Amino acid sequence: ELKVEQNPLFLSMQEGKNYTIYCNYSTTSDRLYWYRQDPGKSLESLFVLLSNGAVKQEGRLMASLDTKARLSTLHITAAVHDLSATYFCAVEGSGGSNYKLTFGKGTLLTVNP
Amino acid sequence: NAGVTQTPKFQVLKTGQSMTLQCAQDMNHEYMSWYRQDPGMGLRLIHYSVGAGITDQGEVPNGYNVSRSTTEDFPLRLLSAAPSQTSVYFCASRVNTEAFFGQGTRLTVV
Repeated sequence: ELKVEQNPLFLSMQEGKNYTIYCNYSTTSDRLYWYRQDPGKSLESLFVLLSNGAVKQEGRLMASLDTKARLSTLHITAAVHDLSATYFCAVEGSGGSNYKLTFGKGTLLTVNP
Repeated sequence: NAGVTQTPKFQVLKTGQSMTLQCAQDMNHEYMSWYRQDPGMGLRLIHYSVGAGITDQGEVPNGYNVSRSTTEDFPLRLLSAAPSQTSVYFCASRVNTEAFFGQGTRLTVV
């Protein structure tokens, strides 16, 4: 059974600081997704990582994937208040489980002035 | 192009009542799924479908039924609601690596 673990679950940052959210998963997978969710809203796709060593960047967010370590990171550079949200990673099962996403519990990020 | 549309947005049910959460997509996607989101739990897969006439169970299927008679629609049925089913429900459709989520249905069972 695929398990996905995110940490930290809560993150309070000051504006301008850097931090990293970690996503570990338990079985082989080559597809990992990062989503953002604002309070009371739906999920917004941030990144899709499809292979070992994949790195994607959008603004102050950068995501990477190490399939050998079964680890993805979401790095936040010089945080701003607008980045406050809950961030989820999700891993796609391999083989017959394709298309089924298993989500981490989410990281609630609060960026303080 | 409306994407994924869920109705209703909010619902209060009494224990034992039944209801159907509607989900429709206009993108002709074969794969659709239902998730529930509870505080501190992330999203958990309830049921999914890989095409019309084909459905299967996810991680937390108990208490829920689904059917897929058309490509566009994937309703989720609660036959006898329980307080443990109080949650936010999201429907999603997918093509390749792109997933599209509905706006969610916030369900309270009292």
